Amino acid sequence: EPEVTQTPSHQVTQMGQEVILRCVPISNHLYFYWYRQILGQKVEFLVSFYNNEISEKSEIFDDQFSVERPDGSNFTLKIRSTKLEDSAMYFCASYLPGSLLNYNSPLHFGNGTRLTVT
Amino acid sequence: KQEVTQIPAALSVPEGENLVLNCSFTDSAIYNLQWFRQDPGKGLTSLLLIQSSQREQTSGRLNASLDKSSGRSTLYIAASQPGDSATYLCAVRSSMWGGGADGLTFGKGTHLIIQP
Repeated sequence: EPEVTQTPSHQVTQMGQEVILRCVPISNHLYFYWYRQILGQKVEFLVSFYNNEISEKSEIFDDQFSVERPDGSNFTLKIRSTKLEDSAMYFCASYLPGSLLNYNSPLHFGNGTRLTVT
Repeated sequence: KQEVTQIPAALSVPEGENLVLNCSFTDSAIYNLQWFRQDPGKGLTSLLLIQSSQREQTSGRLNASLDKSSGRSTLYIAASQPGDSATYLCAVRSSMWGGGADGLTFGKGTHLIIQP
């Protein structure tokens, strides 16, 4: 069964450094997402991406964050200058509605990238 | 704003027991509800998705029910096994595309331990 893949599985970086988290969504999916989960907290929405542009973003997704789909397969999340509070598990997800009239298909999540900012 | 609550926060039971995990949501205008499993430090594995028009979904030993009008869902696990030990997350989709503040909203999860 196709799956969402994320790399790396664990990233350690120093405060102030830039990081890029990478995701390969399921190939025929149209909608892509980043979520994050701070240790012990709920999974939170960051951003959704459709048709090569951001469709929605949360208040967490400030100017330090950016997303890109540089080619037909990769979907990246960049954090420009990491802060200690960016330490979290970051999940990529993708979604393909069966049709515009059939939106009841699940979001598929990757295994996550654990980001540790020191 | 949609809020999702899961009770209990943690549960420890002997192997072989049947158990029920609860999920409640504040806004009943949902498209669907999805149950996930999360192993420690790992990703989210989708278990079941219930559409808003459905009452329940079954997969193996798992059965999820949905009472949309009362804002509740339950995940029933039959004949529990040590391998079922994980955190179980409930997520509600309140908008068509699954993103945004009213998109996919997660509960905090129920941490389940099945004792051998």
